[in-house]
Amino acid sequence: DQQVKQNSPSLSVQEGRISILNCDYTNSMFDYFLWYKKYPAEGPTFLISISSIKDKNEDGRFTVFLNKSAKHLSLHIVPSQPGDSAVYFCAASGRGSQGNLIFGKGTKLSVKP
Amino acid sequence: DAGVTQSPTHLIKTRGQQVTLRCSPKSGHDTVSWYQQALGQGPQFIFQYYEEEERQRGNFPDRFSGHQFPNYSSELNVNALLLGDSALYLCASSLAVDNLRGYTFGSGTRLTVV
Repeated sequence: DQQVKQNSPSLSVQEGRISILNCDYTNSMFDYFLWYKKYPAEGPTFLISISSIKDKNEDGRFTVFLNKSAKHLSLHIVPSQPGDSAVYFCAASGRGSQGNLIFGKGTKLSVKP
Repeated sequence: DAGVTQSPTHLIKTRGQQVTLRCSPKSGHDTVSWYQQALGQGPQFIFQYYEEEERQRGNFPDRFSGHQFPNYSSELNVNALLLGDSALYLCASSLAVDNLRGYTFGSGTRLTVV
């Protein structure tokens, strides 16, 4: 049973527009969430994270929103750039995950010039 | 400053064989975690090593074992390979066991079992 779900396998966005990647989780024991970006033939790279005590965290063009009641988080990229094209993974941790990361299946983002 | 180094990058093994994958953590890191990423899936936690001991383990059979050396490098061993073990194996290092934000991943070893 998947505890972290990314229901959109792919997303295509025009350069300069907003990209919104979604993630849902089922385990209420999760208290820390991270987004990773992965290019082909490379390992995942940390992008941004959020603790469950917050509902928003911003870092440059990247903002993560957390809705604990809905068990939903989203990553906003504004403005999107062609170099943002990659697979984005949502990951969660906390009690019930042995202190390590539970990943979603990923969403492949394509930003078109 | 080298990041996480994994070897080999690609490997083909026959069903029933044994394989050893290697990981050198980022300089200054003392904790190594291993993940398996099957095609079309997200990485799945195998186990974590700290101070040369397995500290945490995911839902993987005993065929998967590991080791951490005094220089913090690590090995992942898989015995009696199955076709389903074909995957990208990722190593991640960090400073301290619970420093999730500080995870640094290697590029992985692509294992194909035929």
